[in-house]
Amino acid sequence: ETGVTQSPTHLIKTRGQQVTLRCSSQSGHNTVSWYQQALGQGPQFIFQYYREEENGRGNFPPRFSGLQFPNYSSELNVNALELDDSALYLCASSLAGTPIYGYTFGSGTRLTVV
Amino acid sequence: QKEVEQNSGPLSVPEGAIASLNCTYSDRVSQSFFWYRQYSGKSPELIMSIYSNGDKEDGRFTAQLNKASQYVSLLIRDSQPSDSATYLCAVRGGNQFYFGTGTSLTVIP
Repeated sequence: ETGVTQSPTHLIKTRGQQVTLRCSSQSGHNTVSWYQQALGQGPQFIFQYYREEENGRGNFPPRFSGLQFPNYSSELNVNALELDDSALYLCASSLAGTPIYGYTFGSGTRLTVV
Repeated sequence: QKEVEQNSGPLSVPEGAIASLNCTYSDRVSQSFFWYRQYSGKSPELIMSIYSNGDKEDGRFTAQLNKASQYVSLLIRDSQPSDSATYLCAVRGGNQFYFGTGTSLTVIP
């Protein structure tokens, strides 16, 4: 049990639609980071939220946006879905920024865009 | 731009053999290095971390770090079929981790 839960586990969307993915952080953790893992690739950093503010962003377009709530849970929103957005989306939580000890990821959300 | 490269594999070893997985990274200031194991359809699982030059052992796993050569490796001794997975190398840089593309390992019974 990692303490980080993601929902939904799987979903299928049509190109051009919008999607919202959710992440509940481990108790006591105030930082949530999102990663995208395309098939056959390593995870790529999307962005990080620390105390409800974006705290760093990877090389992803603005149609990828996020929120962090007062309870430190988080959402990843993707607008105008493209076929290449099909991937496993991973969430990790940590205490106060990026941990030196490595992440424990949630189980992920598998997004398929058709 | 930090880069992490891994030998592409796939790597196949017989059961009981030593599996050797390699990784190089481009950023000389990186201080934290990690190995993740990922079973098909699952999320990555952290199995080893290393911060100092030399070897770090944990059960059948040994991580090796050579900062001068910007090289990290993972040795799996007495490989078991349950070790069959993709192994991802990761380097911490700033507020993110940089991952390699992974090496697929198959342990043949």
